[in-house]
Amino acid sequence: GAGVSQTPSNKVTEKGKYVELRCDPISGHTALYWYRQSLGQGPEFLIYFQGTGAADDSGLPNDRFFAVRPEGSVSTLKIQRTERGDSAVYLCASSLGQGSNNEQFFGPGTRLTVL
Amino acid sequence: GESVGLHLPTLSVQEGDNSIINCAYSNSASDYFIWYKQESGKGPQFIIDIRSNMDKRQGQRVTVLLNKTVKHLSLQIAATQPGDSAVYFCAENSGTYKYIFGTGTRLKVLA
Repeated sequence: GAGVSQTPSNKVTEKGKYVELRCDPISGHTALYWYRQSLGQGPEFLIYFQGTGAADDSGLPNDRFFAVRPEGSVSTLKIQRTERGDSAVYLCASSLGQGSNNEQFFGPGTRLTVL
Repeated sequence: GESVGLHLPTLSVQEGDNSIINCAYSNSASDYFIWYKQESGKGPQFIIDIRSNMDKRQGQRVTVLLNKTVKHLSLQIAATQPGDSAVYFCAENSGTYKYIFGTGTRLKVLA
């Protein structure tokens, strides 16, 4: 079966521009997570969806970051007025349910470069 | 604050030797730990997990050891192969959906 997919795989943009990153979770997975991974670092939690609602967005760094999951499947991470410091790999993961009994399956990530 | 860290950023081992990757955690409330493998250009891949009521768990060629007294976790890879070359992360969890990842150790397997 298909795993978590993310598009685009690479995104280069200019400072100040708006970007959207897409995540297609594993079919049937109700929980979806976004992480950000800087070079040489482990993934850092950004936001968690259970179904259509953002159950925890405490990891979003500021109000330029926003994510949606309108139909409880595909999710889009949106970044406004991008800054060079936003450059990182953005990872998406999904799980069958929430909690530590449910393995999180990660996508390959989108590498965002802000020039 | 809570943190998960690794002692060695890079580990080089000869093919066929055993590898040991270490991790320290600071949150005594964490009760679930996972080791992930991340190859270049890919997302983290689950390797093995362990709960806090255990001190050892074995998988295929991998063993995870947990020492709660000193808050230390290790991943042992037996007979290391070139395909094991990757960055390895430990992650901790305190019973919720949120995982806290360490910085990572790069494992290089020398032919």
